[in-house]
Amino acid sequence: KAGVTQTPRYLIKTRGQQVTLSCSPISGHRSVSWYQQTPGQGLQFLFEYFSETQRNKGNFPGRFSGRQFSNSRSEMNVSTLELGDSALYLCASTPDMMNTEAFFGQGTRLTVV
Amino acid sequence: GNSVTQMEGPVTLSEEAFLTINCTYTATGYPSLFWYVQYPGEGLQLLLKATKADDKGSNKGFEATYRKETTSFHLEKGSVQVSDSAVYFCALSDLGGTASKLTFGTGTRLQVTL
Repeated sequence: KAGVTQTPRYLIKTRGQQVTLSCSPISGHRSVSWYQQTPGQGLQFLFEYFSETQRNKGNFPGRFSGRQFSNSRSEMNVSTLELGDSALYLCASTPDMMNTEAFFGQGTRLTVV
Repeated sequence: GNSVTQMEGPVTLSEEAFLTINCTYTATGYPSLFWYVQYPGEGLQLLLKATKADDKGSNKGFEATYRKETTSFHLEKGSVQVSDSAVYFCALSDLGGTASKLTFGTGTRLQVTL
C-alpha cells in the first residue's frame, strides 16, 4: 500500500510569489492535515480537511489556504510568499477524523529567497 | 492553549544505554498523547500512543505511560541501538481521542554511538 505522497519534494520561490503544494493520502484515507515545520517554531498545525471541507484550522494568516478534492487529494497554497515561509511542509492522512494514528508524508521543503 | 514541553537535546548515549526523554503537557480536558519519530530526510512516524490516563503505549522496545496526575508522558527504552538515532517528538490532541490537530513539542534529537 503506497504511503502519503507529497509533491514536489523541493521548491525554491521568490518573495511575493505564490506556491501550491500537493498531497495524495493513503488510499482509502479521507482526512488530510497539513503542518509547517521550522527550526524556530517547530511543528505547527495548519489545517485539516475531511470530505472536501475544512474541519480544523491553526493560527496562520489568510495567505495560507487549502482545499481537498473528491478523491481526497489535497493542495495547500501560500500567496505573497515571505522569507519566513521557508519551511518543511508535512501532510498527514488518517482514514477518518476519529482515527488515532496519522500517517505522514516526507514533506515538501520550500525555500523562499 | 495546549502546549507540550520536551527536554532539550541533543541526547547522546552509548549503545545499550537506558533512554529517558521527558515530556510534559498542558491541555484542557483529556488529551490523547503520542510519540513520533523522524529519521533524517523522512516524515514523522508514529512510535506509540496512549488515549487515556494510566494507559501505557509501547512499540519496538519503547514505552511511555500517560500520567494525568503529573501531566507527563515520558519516553523510555531499556537498551538503545545506533538505529534509534533520530528526532523524537511528543504530541497531543485534545479532539476526542483522535490524531487531529496535533500540538507538538520542539523535538529531542537522540544520537546513539557504538
